[in-house]
Amino acid sequence: NAGVTQTPKFQVLKTGQSMTLQCAQDMNHEYMSWYRQDPGMGLRLIHYSVGAGITDQGEVPNGYNVSRSTTEDFPLRLLSAAPSQTSVYFCASSSRGIRGNTEAFFGQGTRLTVV
Amino acid sequence: AQSVAQPEDQVNVAEGNPLTVKCTYSVSGNPYLFWYVQYPNRGLQFLLKYITGDNLVKGSYGFEAEFNKSQTSFHLKKPSALVSDSALYFCAVRPPEAAGNKLTFGGGTRVLVKP
Repeated sequence: NAGVTQTPKFQVLKTGQSMTLQCAQDMNHEYMSWYRQDPGMGLRLIHYSVGAGITDQGEVPNGYNVSRSTTEDFPLRLLSAAPSQTSVYFCASSSRGIRGNTEAFFGQGTRLTVV
Repeated sequence: AQSVAQPEDQVNVAEGNPLTVKCTYSVSGNPYLFWYVQYPNRGLQFLLKYITGDNLVKGSYGFEAEFNKSQTSFHLKKPSALVSDSALYFCAVRPPEAAGNKLTFGGGTRVLVKP
């Protein structure tokens, strides 16, 4: 049981490049989400999904796309990287529980630098 | 919209002394409250949560937290801190009616436990 797996762990992009951050979970969780972590700002929600085929925007969605074709995978796509997207990105998953009363499990993170 | 405040960027405590990390929140209704810990270059690990019931919640590694509805606080405590407790701590809130694992995080508090 690997939990939540993110790849890559580190990435350097040039401004304007695109890339996909991968996230996979093996716990059969319904809920998945992407956060970015910036110093002093905690984690902020980018996009989230309540199940396969269903996604929605979080607090800071601009510049990012997501899709959820399977329960296990929730990739995050950067369309045209900008220096403001330099951050640490975390994927999380959780089961639905009762009215969402379950804790989230986080991946190890992807440290992205845009130059 | 909900918000979480962690008023202290850093807390310094001597090993063996009590540790308190403060958290206050602003959200309508009865929220779910969580504490997570992040060790260097790692993802977030769940410590404890308040959903309903007893205001004193016990969690992993000897941590506990007290929910105070009138003061809208959820402070994290440990009676006797260890050097290994040195890490970054995040408080998070989730409204029960929110879809998915949409967490709102505080900015984080760095805990330094000195031998």
